[in-house]
Amino acid sequence: QVQLQESGPGLVKPSETLSLTCSVSGGAISSSGRYWGWIRQSPGKGLEWIGSVYYGGTSYYSASLRSRVTISIEASQNQIFLRLSSVTAADTAQYFCARHVGIAAAGGDFYIGVWGRGTTVAVSS
Amino acid sequence: QSVLTQPPSVSVAAGQMVTISCSGGSFNIGNNYVSWYQQSPGTAPKLLIYENNKRPSGIPDRFSGSKSGTSATLGITGLQTGDEADYYCGTWDSSLSAWVFGGGTKLTVL
Repeated sequence: QVQLQESGPGLVKPSETLSLTCSVSGGAISSSGRYWGWIRQSPGKGLEWIGSVYYGGTSYYSASLRSRVTISIEASQNQIFLRLSSVTAADTAQYFCARHVGIAAAGGDFYIGVWGRGTTVAVSS
Repeated sequence: QSVLTQPPSVSVAAGQMVTISCSGGSFNIGNNYVSWYQQSPGTAPKLLIYENNKRPSGIPDRFSGSKSGTSATLGITGLQTGDEADYYCGTWDSSLSAWVFGGGTKLTVL
C-alpha cells in the first residue's frame, strides 16, 4: 500500500521560495507508471490543484501558478519535490502530495487515488 | 471561481438521502471521467468515487456516482453523522490541460 508523507518548513517569509518534500513508501516511483502531484487548500477554502508530473515524462501545472512552481522527482530517493517561488500570504495553505491513477490527457480514467496527510505552510515575516 | 460548479452546502436529516451536483462543460465533465472526494474535518481528502460511478474497495454502497452530459452527481443514502464532510468533484480539463476541482459542498447531517 503506497503511502505519502509531506514535509517542509511550516513558516516561509514573503518573497522567498517554499520548498516541500513528499516521501513515498510502499512502492517505487520509478516503476509506478503514475502521475504524482501537489494540491493545496487555503484556510477555510476548497482544494486547489497545483500541478502533476510523470516520472521521466510530461508535467502539467495550474495556469495561475505556472510561472512560480516546479514539481520534480528524485527517483533514487523515492521523493517528489514542490518549489514555489516569490510567495505571498496568499500561498498560506495546507499542501497535499497525491498520486494519480491513469494517464493525464489520454481520454481515459484519471483520478487521485492516494493522498498524503498534508503539511501546513504559513507565509509571514 | 471554480471550473466545476457545486452547491456550497446541503443539509439533510439522518437516515435520508442526498444528491450533490457538479456542473461543468464539454472540455471537462463532458469528455472525461469524474471522481469524487470526501474530506472529513481536519483530515486529508479521500477517494470516494472514480470513473464516474465506481467505488474503491472499502467505500460502502450507500455512496454512488453518475454522469450525464456535462454534469455529475454524487448520491448518498442512509445518511449518518459520520458522513458530515466536504465533498469535491474532480476531473481533467482537456482545454486547460489541467486537473480541476469543484468548489466543494459542505454536507451537514441534521
